[in-house]
Amino acid sequence: KAGVTQTPRYLIKTRGQQVTLSCSPISGHRSVSWYQQTPGQGLQFLFEYFSETQRNKGNFPGRFSGRQFSNSRSEMNVSTLELGDSALYLCASRPTSGVLPAGEQYFGPGTRLTVT
Amino acid sequence: AQSVAQPEDQVNVAEGNPLTVKCTYSVSGNPYLFWYVQYPNRGLQFLLKYITGDNLVKGSYGFEAEFNKSQTSFHLKKPSALVSDSALYFCAVRDKSDTSGTYKYIFGTGTRLKVLA
Repeated sequence: KAGVTQTPRYLIKTRGQQVTLSCSPISGHRSVSWYQQTPGQGLQFLFEYFSETQRNKGNFPGRFSGRQFSNSRSEMNVSTLELGDSALYLCASRPTSGVLPAGEQYFGPGTRLTVT
Repeated sequence: AQSVAQPEDQVNVAEGNPLTVKCTYSVSGNPYLFWYVQYPNRGLQFLLKYITGDNLVKGSYGFEAEFNKSQTSFHLKKPSALVSDSALYFCAVRDKSDTSGTYKYIFGTGTRLKVLA
């Protein structure tokens, strides 16, 4: 099976712009989670989508949003970019047990976002 | 709230020596604990998990972790370190489920392991 894929791998944006990142989960996985990784903070949970519905949300401002499509692919959008949004954005998918996501997460390689 | 702490930003060990990467946790209820590894320019890879059962959990690449309930610790270990083990290691705990029945993971800040030849 192909792993989790993320596009683009690298992105440079200017303050005030917006950005959209994409994540394709492992085939059959319906849960996609998004994380922000920075050197000082480690991994911070952004949100999780399952069956096109947001199921969990971390403590990030409303500038961070996401969605999931019927094929389980997910996008994350950040509006009005700030310098502090520079980070590695990781997505992870996990399998389903019954009607809920379960099991360990499988991570993509990440999108490195630099805001100048 | 559930949390994990990785008290060391970096651990250095000589190749062939045993290694330990520390993790302590704070949870209400039974902990579900995980270790992940991140190599440069890669996402995180699952190493091992503790749900219940034996306190010594064996995982990928010769790693193991010891669950200690009295010390609320879940340290990652390997008997003989390899240079290729050099990477960033994350401990994680599964948070309590919310009303939807799903749950999220809380990660530590990571420990960089350097294995010296």
